[in-house]
Amino acid sequence: GAGVSQSPSNKVTEKGKDVELRCDPISGHTALYWYRQSLGQGLEFLIYFQGNSAPDKSGLPSDRFSAERTGGSVSTLTIQRTQQEDSAVYLCASSVRLAVEQFFGPGTRLTVL
Amino acid sequence: DQQVKQNSPSLSVQEGRISILNCDYTNSMFDYFLWYKKYPAEGPTFLISISSIKDKNEDGRFTVFLNKSAKHLSLHIVPSQPGDSAVYFCAASSSISSGSARQLTFGSGTQLTVLP
Repeated sequence: GAGVSQSPSNKVTEKGKDVELRCDPISGHTALYWYRQSLGQGLEFLIYFQGNSAPDKSGLPSDRFSAERTGGSVSTLTIQRTQQEDSAVYLCASSVRLAVEQFFGPGTRLTVL
Repeated sequence: DQQVKQNSPSLSVQEGRISILNCDYTNSMFDYFLWYKKYPAEGPTFLISISSIKDKNEDGRFTVFLNKSAKHLSLHIVPSQPGDSAVYFCAASSSISSGSARQLTFGSGTQLTVLP
């Protein structure tokens, strides 16, 4: 079956511009996570959605970052007024409710010039 | 402060030999541990996991060992194959976290290279 998909695969933007990253989770997975991986670093948790519950935003690094999940499926991560330190690979994962094992998408490589 | 640490950024082993990847953690509330493998331009893929109630879990060529008193886990791959060359991430989770979110805390990864 289809795995987690993300788009775009690569995004180059200028400092100060807004970007939107999209994630399509595995069908039937109610939990959706966003992580980012900066160069040479591990994956950093950003935000988590579970069903209709309020998202866990504890990992978002600043108020320039926001995410939404429409209809309990597709999610969009928005970064406003991008900065060079936002350059990273942004990874989305999904899982069956409360399952620890998460399935990752291929990621979006964001480069802020 | 890194709660999950992989102190070796890289490891090279000969094909057929054993690969041992190490991971240390500081948070005693972690009760579930996972290893993920990542190829370039792909997302991490789940490899093997272990609950804190166990000290060993085996799946084919992959075995994970957990030493809770030392807050240390390791992944053994034997025999190593060239196709195992990838970045390996250790991850940990706690059942006690805000909003019941099972977020994973990852180490920085170890690049394994298996030489033919």
